[in-house]
Amino acid sequence: ETGVTQTPRHLVMGMTNKKSLKCEQHLGHNAMYWYKQSAKKPLELMFVYSLEERVENNSVPSRFSPECPNSSHLFLHLHTLQPEDSALYLCASSQGTGGNEKLFFGSGTQLSVL
Amino acid sequence: DQQVKQNSPSLSVQEGRISILNCDYTNSMFDYFLWYKKYPAEGPTFLISISSIKDKNEDGRFTVFLNKSAKHLSLHIVPSQPGDSAVYFCAASRITGTASKLTFGTGTRLQVTL
Repeated sequence: ETGVTQTPRHLVMGMTNKKSLKCEQHLGHNAMYWYKQSAKKPLELMFVYSLEERVENNSVPSRFSPECPNSSHLFLHLHTLQPEDSALYLCASSQGTGGNEKLFFGSGTQLSVL
Repeated sequence: DQQVKQNSPSLSVQEGRISILNCDYTNSMFDYFLWYKKYPAEGPTFLISISSIKDKNEDGRFTVFLNKSAKHLSLHIVPSQPGDSAVYFCAASRITGTASKLTFGTGTRLQVTL
């Protein structure tokens, strides 16, 4: 148990659906992240929130929309996704955003877009 | 262009022997390095880190070696145990940078056999 909880664990959606991924951290951290892991590729950073403000948007298509209502919760809203968006989506948190911060990851949501 | 490379996708080691996982990087500005371990259906968990002012950091059975001139680091696990079977990710960043600039490798799958 890393203190970062993601739901759902698995999600299958059609290209016209709208769904949301949820992440909650119980560590009192100030920063939260969304990462994408595609097969045989490195983890790719998507978004970073620090103290509920988005501090980084890594050239992610607008069909992915993050929301951070407070420092413990992070959402990723999905709409009109493409099959190539099928991947493992990982949420992480850290105490701060310094370069030597250790990230604590959730178990991820395995997303399949049909 | 991948700045952090793990050229061995998989490694098999007998229980009790030493496991050596390798990682190369190209960006000479990186000065902080981390290893994460990932079990199936779980998110990556932090294992060990090293800053560029050191060439070795040890934590129990895990030791990370850094060779800055070769831009190479390695993770040694000794003795290897079946529970060490997982995917290991190398990651790099700049201490004076931000955690959002953490760059991951593609991972090496370690299988520890009986």
